[in-house]
Amino acid sequence: AQKITQTQPGMFVQEKEAVTLDCTYDTSDQSYGLFWYKQPSSGEMIFLIYQGSYDEQNATEGRYSLNFQKARKSANLVISASQLGDSAMYFCAMREGGGATNKLIFGTGTLLAVQP
Amino acid sequence: NAGVMQNPRHLVRRRGQEARLRCSPMKGHSHVYWYRQLPEEGLKFMVYLQKENIIDESGMPKERFSAEFPKEGPSILRIQQVVRGDSAAYFCASSPLRQGTDTQYFGPGTRLTVL
Repeated sequence: AQKITQTQPGMFVQEKEAVTLDCTYDTSDQSYGLFWYKQPSSGEMIFLIYQGSYDEQNATEGRYSLNFQKARKSANLVISASQLGDSAMYFCAMREGGGATNKLIFGTGTLLAVQP
Repeated sequence: NAGVMQNPRHLVRRRGQEARLRCSPMKGHSHVYWYRQLPEEGLKFMVYLQKENIIDESGMPKERFSAEFPKEGPSILRIQQVVRGDSAAYFCASSPLRQGTDTQYFGPGTRLTVL
C-alpha cells in the first residue's frame, strides 16, 4: 500500500538559514506525483511544490526546492533563507499514478518554527 | 480568480444533528475532493467527485456520510446524526483535470465541532 513518512515531528531553524524537511514514500506504481503543502496556524492548506516521478530535474519554486531521490524514495523539501512567516506545519503528499482515482495520501506533517 | 470556497468556516452541531458542508471549486475546475483532518493528524482522503458522479468514495465512512456534486451549485458533504468523533476539519480541494500534473488546490476548510 502507498505510504508517506515524515519522521520529523518538529524542527527549529534560524531566520535566513536553510532547512530540509524529510519525506520518504512507498509505492509500487511507476507513475506518481509528490507534493508539499504548508498549513499555517490559520489552518488553510497552501500548495508549495510538485514533483512528477518521471521528472528528471528537481522541482523549484522560489525559495522552495524538492530534493527528489527516486532510488531512495525520498522527496525532501528544502526551504532556503527561512523567514518568520515560514513557521507552519508542512505536509508531504503523494498522488497515486494511473487508475480511476486521483486521491492524495498525506504524511503526518512536520512543524517548523523559524526563530529570529 | 477566486480560490476554492468553503462554507461555513466553522460549524457547531449537537450530537444527532445533521451537518452540511459546502464547497465551490475554483473556476474551470470540474474535479472535487474531500479530506478530513482529525486533531494532530494529517489529511485523510474521503471522496472524489466530478459533476454528477462519484468517482472514488473509498475513504468515506459507510454510514451517515454522503457527498454530491450536482450539475449546478456547490459540492455538498453531508453528515447525518453527527457524533463527537466527527469533530474535525473538513477540507475540499479542486483540480482541473484528472490526469497529469493536476495539482489539487485546497479551500480554507470547515471546522466542525460536535457538542
